[in-house]
Amino acid sequence: EIVMTQSPATLSVSPGERATLSCRASQSVGSNLAWYQQKPGQAPRLLIYGASTRATGIPARFSGSGSGTEFTLTISSLQSEDFALYYCQHYNNWPLWTFGQGTKVEIK
Amino acid sequence: EVQLVGSGGGLVQPGGSLRLSCAASGFTFSNSDMHWVRQATGKRLEWVSAIGTAGDTYYSGSVKGRFTISRENSKNSLFLQMNSLRAGDTALYYCARVFGGTGAFDIWGQGTMVTVSS
Repeated sequence: EIVMTQSPATLSVSPGERATLSCRASQSVGSNLAWYQQKPGQAPRLLIYGASTRATGIPARFSGSGSGTEFTLTISSLQSEDFALYYCQHYNNWPLWTFGQGTKVEIK
Repeated sequence: EVQLVGSGGGLVQPGGSLRLSCAASGFTFSNSDMHWVRQATGKRLEWVSAIGTAGDTYYSGSVKGRFTISRENSKNSLFLQMNSLRAGDTALYYCARVFGGTGAFDIWGQGTMVTVSS
């Protein structure tokens, strides 16, 4: 099983600032990586797939990068609605996919 | 409107059974690979099971032999029959669709809660 590790566990950021979230895979997953946003009481929302492609309707302030084992989600200028939990997920070996433990982005 | 609506969760005793359902609308269900993903309180998301468009099925090691995924395309419905339930199966269960040829989940149900407790 590929283990996904996210860091940091919690990120404190002021509105308008940049947030950088990391995700590491225990072995290469190529570009088969997605990012999700989850707010309390809601289902996850797809932000990024293919490591760097924004899903439909996702604002341009969200960007993804990386390949292999190291990935980054960047939120260029945090808006109030962006404070949430963020998960990465690999889909390299169908369908035994795994998720990271999440990064909570909170208001500083 | 594109949506998935899950149902069927509840409180069940250890060793008991439950059948989850997921109703799809707004997209071509029969052309979509469908999955169940669960999330225990405060824990990471965990992939549970998948069914392809041809009816091929897949399970995580933790549920294999106890859970059965199925679909009824004529009713745009997905199911998860859960037998021999354990306390560790307690979680919010989401049905989800995989996007195109990727493994990313682009449509999620609202989740249905399963609690296994005596």
